Amino acid sequence: DARVTQTPRHKVTEMGQEVTMRCQPILGHNTVFWYRQTMMQGLELLAYFRNRAPLDDSGMPKDRFSAEMPDATLATLKIQPSEPRDSAVYFCASEWMNTEAFFGQGTRLTVV
Amino acid sequence: QKEVEQDPGPLSVPEGAIVSLNCTYSNSAFQYFMWYRQYSRKGPELLMYTYSSGNKEDGRFTAQVDKSSKYISLFIRDSQPSDSATYLCAARRASGGSYIPTFGRGTSLIVHP
Repeated sequence: DARVTQTPRHKVTEMGQEVTMRCQPILGHNTVFWYRQTMMQGLELLAYFRNRAPLDDSGMPKDRFSAEMPDATLATLKIQPSEPRDSAVYFCASEWMNTEAFFGQGTRLTVV
Repeated sequence: QKEVEQDPGPLSVPEGAIVSLNCTYSNSAFQYFMWYRQYSRKGPELLMYTYSSGNKEDGRFTAQVDKSSKYISLFIRDSQPSDSATYLCAARRASGGSYIPTFGRGTSLIVHP
């Protein structure tokens, strides 16, 4: 059954370490979103891609976050160096042409 | 101030009650409105999607949009314990050829037997 797959599901890392989160969008979807969810802020858009091209990453701290889509089946979000304030659940979502956004299960990141 | 505001709750109701969940938004550029449901430790899933002011019904769920007052509502009739979840309202606006979803913080709903 078609779904967005995110890995890892959980990640605990030490401050200063690099973290890479991966997302496999639903086959055929041409838009990929990265969101971060915290209790205080809710779901915040970090970046999104259409047809693998980055269209907006204004929600990301540019000095430490980077998002890429090396091919149609893989999107990555990288944090280097990680900080405790980056602790959150990171969601990837994909959709076809402004229809329904399907979310993955999220990566729960804890930076200690 | 967030573009989409939502009371985080929690909202606790007895089984069978009618539930009313509400959001307000500030950006007139929003054109499409959605409600997502998120169970604990899961990703959000779409419940309702509406394009215009008025009501849209789907089973026990009714979504209502009032663009003049920038107000979005979700009503749940005959609420069930399985409806216990966080409900996120969202609105889409055009940006670079796409319609980007902006989410409220979510309202936690607890339906007790």
